[in-house]
Amino acid sequence: GNSVTQMEGPVTLSEEAFLTINCTYTATGYPSLFWYVQYPGEGLQLLLKATKADDKGSNKGFEATYRKETTSFHLEKGSVQVSDSAVYFCASPLGGQNFVFGPGTRLSVLP
Amino acid sequence: DTGVSQDPRHKITKRGQNVTFRCDPISEHNRLYWYRQTLGQGPEFLTYFQNEAQLEKSRLLSDRFSAERPKGSFSTLEIQRTEQGDSAMYLCASSPQANYGYTFGSGTRLTVV
Repeated sequence: GNSVTQMEGPVTLSEEAFLTINCTYTATGYPSLFWYVQYPGEGLQLLLKATKADDKGSNKGFEATYRKETTSFHLEKGSVQVSDSAVYFCASPLGGQNFVFGPGTRLSVLP
Repeated sequence: DTGVSQDPRHKITKRGQNVTFRCDPISEHNRLYWYRQTLGQGPEFLTYFQNEAQLEKSRLLSDRFSAERPKGSFSTLEIQRTEQGDSAMYLCASSPQANYGYTFGSGTRLTVV
């Protein structure tokens, strides 16, 4: 069935390290793809999105490119900060009316 | 507009009691969603409204759960005869159209003791 899969966490990095969090989806067609972030004690916030193949979403130094060949939408950041410590969720409507979320990847950035 | 508001932020209830949560979406958004999130998991879809019509319900939404959105504005989620397994964060989100992306509220954390 349709699903969103993302890499298991937790991910622990030192400040200024490069970050990649993998996300792949299974669906018919090319659904819109999203990354949400949940900071400690807060609600989910939209981080970035891409609505069609080959689109690149970007925000706050984070980027993700919609790769239809690999049905992926990996999240990257070139230099993480302590303030980036949060849980990151990949999500997509997968062609339906409501979003399906991945299980989340917890990122901890150490000073 | 202050975003999506949920009330209460926290609720502790005894098993078997009924609870009701409220969500006030962004006023221009005609779509409203309820999700449930347990520790270490992603949000799981419960139900969705377009204006006042409840268009989809998840299998997770047992007959003890009911949601309403009278007049297409705020929404309520009621859980009857609560069980310990209902303990979770209940999230409300709204959006102006399909595939647009959600704006989430801060959630209501339910603890059933």
